[in-house]
Amino acid sequence: EDQVTQSPEALRLQEGESSSLNCSYTVSGLRGLFWYRQDPGKGPEFLFTLYSAGEEKEKERLKATLTKKESFLHITAPKPEDSATYLCAVQARGNNDMRFGAGTRLTVKP
Amino acid sequence: KAGVTQTPRYLIKTRGQQVTLSCSPISGHRSVSWYQQTPGQGLQFLFEYFSETQRNKGNFPGRFSGRQFSNSRSEMNVSTLELGDSALYLCASSRDRASTDTQYFGPGTRLTVL
Repeated sequence: EDQVTQSPEALRLQEGESSSLNCSYTVSGLRGLFWYRQDPGKGPEFLFTLYSAGEEKEKERLKATLTKKESFLHITAPKPEDSATYLCAVQARGNNDMRFGAGTRLTVKP
Repeated sequence: KAGVTQTPRYLIKTRGQQVTLSCSPISGHRSVSWYQQTPGQGLQFLFEYFSETQRNKGNFPGRFSGRQFSNSRSEMNVSTLELGDSALYLCASSRDRASTDTQYFGPGTRLTVL
């Protein structure tokens, strides 16, 4: 069965303190790995899609990387507005549904 | 371009009642998926509709059903509500079912069952 595990569950950083969030997955044939950001009371906001091991994507202070077993979301010099829950999800080949991890709740203190 | 819209945003029902939630996808998107989000179980896939046909279904009881109209708008229905059905119900749309398509989420409908 497809599984997604995110760590840590919660992360508190000082503004400017870089760190990484982890997403470990098992899936029978990866179609895509997705990162979303979710603010309280809102729907998830799309960040990145990664399709194959070795792929990297960047957007502002965020950079996502992918290996055959895990993905990392690197946050460089975070700001308080980066505080949110970051969700990782995988899609298996032949399916259009996504299996989500439990998320990492990030808090960035000024 | 307008995003995914969901109505209503908030809903309070009592046990045993039924409820219908609505989702309008991004213009031009033909696939609509529904997810349930709870603090204990996280985000879980309910079902997906494409071209008015259910293409995939998650592990939920038959009380959860849905449909899609010819304009790609979708509705989901929950009958005989239980306390455990209290959740944020999210709709996501994608252009097609191709492997490169991304699902974009709406703001959700917060359902409270009393």
